[in-house]
Order: sequence, then structure tokens, then C-alpha cells
Amino acid sequence: DQQVKQNSPSLSVQEGRISILNCDYTNSMFDYFLWYKKYPAEGPTFLISISSIKDKNEDGRFTVFLNKSAKHLSLHIVPSQPGDSAVYFCAASVEGGSEKLVFGKGTKLTVNP
Amino acid sequence: NAGVMQNPRHLVRRRGQEARLRCSPMKGHSHVYWYRQLPEEGLKFMVYLQKENIIDESGMPKERFSAEFPKEGPSILRIQQVVRGDSAAYFCASSPPDRGNEQFFGPGTRLTVL
Repeated sequence: DQQVKQNSPSLSVQEGRISILNCDYTNSMFDYFLWYKKYPAEGPTFLISISSIKDKNEDGRFTVFLNKSAKHLSLHIVPSQPGDSAVYFCAASVEGGSEKLVFGKGTKLTVNP
Repeated sequence: NAGVMQNPRHLVRRRGQEARLRCSPMKGHSHVYWYRQLPEEGLKFMVYLQKENIIDESGMPKERFSAEFPKEGPSILRIQQVVRGDSAAYFCASSPPDRGNEQFFGPGTRLTVL
């Protein structure tokens, strides 16, 4: 049972435009969400996170939006740069639980120059 | 400040052999997590350890897999009698003791079983 879903395996955008990556979850106990970026043959790198008490968190070009009622979050990257090309994973956890992260399958983002 | 270190980066084993994967957490981190990524899949949680204790092993296969995090030295993920289906990338993450959600990942060990 896939508790965290990233329904778009891939996304292609032009440099300078906005990239929007989506993530849905089914477990209402999740209350902390993270985005990781991963290059081939490397480990995931933490990008940005959001707690369920917020609906938006911003860090430079990256903004994460959380819609708890819809069990949906999205990552916005603006402006997109070629160096952003990577696989992006959405992850969720229960704060105060065992801290294990539940990951989606990832979305491969390609930013074209 | 060194990040999470894993070795070896690549490991090739024949069916029936044992695989040992090592993970050294970031300085100051006392919590270690192991995840496995199969081809075209996301990372799947395997086990969560603190020094000398297994906290959550709900993602570990019941047989052939074991993990430890001794008082001294790295965390070890051990796979006995490997099979082809064990071929995957194994990632270790660590976190500070009071911020378990902030997990920093190592580069992974890519295990290939022939």
C-alpha cells in the first residue's frame, strides 16, 4: 500500500520557468513532510520540510505548500535552473513516532536550458 | 564536518555469500536509519537504531537481515546468504538525538548479487 504517492514519474520545464512537483498521502497520522533531491549514484539531499501546523514554507527559490484537507503537498521551484535537474522525493513521517520516513517513488525533473 | 559515510560504495556478491554494509553517522548524531531502494522505486525504511539499541525494525525482512549499532564503531547492516532480489542501493541516514525527522543521508552502497 503506497502511503505517499508521486503520480508524475517525470517533468520537463524550461530554464527560468516554474517547476511544480506534486505529492499525495493517505495516512492522516503523517504530520511532517520533507522533500529530498537526488542525483544519480548519490544519496538523497535534504531540500525543505514543513510541519502540519503550517501550510507554507519558503527557502530561497523553493517553496513547499501543504493542503491537509486534501492530503496534498507540492514543491515549487522558481526560477528553475538546469542544475535543478534531478529526482525529487517526497517523504512523510509522524513526529514523536519512530521517525522513519515514508517515501514516494520520486519525480525526475529535467530543466532545459 | 564530514557527512554520513558509507562503505563500500559498491559491493558484488555471489548468491549464498554474506554482505556487510557499514555506516558512520555524522558527528554528534546518535540515531541511524537504514533504507533500501530497489530499481524504479522510492526508498523503503528498514531499521532505526540508537547506540546499542534497535528502536524500530518493522521494515527488516524476517530472515537473513540483521543490523547493529555498537557503542564504538560504525553501524553494520548484514545480509546473510544473499539472493538476486537483494540487489539494490542501501542508504544510511543519521539524525541528531532531538530531531529525528531531520535525516541526512550517506551516498549509499550499491549491492549486486550475481
